[in-house]
Amino acid sequence: AQSVSQHNHHVILSEAASLELGCNYSYGGTVNLFWYVQYPGQHLQLLLKYFSGDPLVKGIKGFEAEFIKSKFSFNLRKPSVQWSDTAEYFCAVSFMEYGNKLVFGAGTILRVKS
Amino acid sequence: SQTIHQWPATLVQPVGSPLSLECTVEGTSNPNLYWYRQAAGRGLQLLFYSVGIGQISSEVPQNLSASRPQDRQFILSSKKLLLSDSGFYLCAWSISHIGETQYFGPGTRLLVL
Repeated sequence: AQSVSQHNHHVILSEAASLELGCNYSYGGTVNLFWYVQYPGQHLQLLLKYFSGDPLVKGIKGFEAEFIKSKFSFNLRKPSVQWSDTAEYFCAVSFMEYGNKLVFGAGTILRVKS
Repeated sequence: SQTIHQWPATLVQPVGSPLSLECTVEGTSNPNLYWYRQAAGRGLQLLFYSVGIGQISSEVPQNLSASRPQDRQFILSSKKLLLSDSGFYLCAWSISHIGETQYFGPGTRLLVL
């Protein structure tokens, strides 16, 4: 079955530290890739997405992600985190041969210490 | 602009009671609609999706059902709740094609006692 793995469930960083959250998926066919973020008390919202083109995607609030097809990965990065980045981050993948429905990773809770 | 509403925000129900959670979308026509359950440490699990009025696809066998009586209304139901139905339920919508970006509602937290 198609699956999405996020490597860390909890990450704690100090402000200004660099962030990289790992995401791998199980399937080698055509995919669309997403990162969603859920800030405390807020809706789940889209951070960035990749459908095609440049594999380095830039999203809101200084986040970016790189699609590496050979590694089945779509890692999320930010060079310098802020306290306001404290949230839960979800990687999601839609697999074309799975009817393009979204499959979510388990999520990574990021806590940024001020 | 499009908005998505869910109610109630929180619900406490006894085991064996019925359930009805409602989701409505404004500002778009013929959206795809989705129900997810979010469990801590397990991400979001797709329960149902709908590509049109009266068209429901179920992803996992369970005690729940879904209906779409109107274009922008999606309802999650149960005839008799189980303890295991407790959780956080999210509704989402996307434009026409499955695989497009999904936009999520605020969610309903359900506690079955």
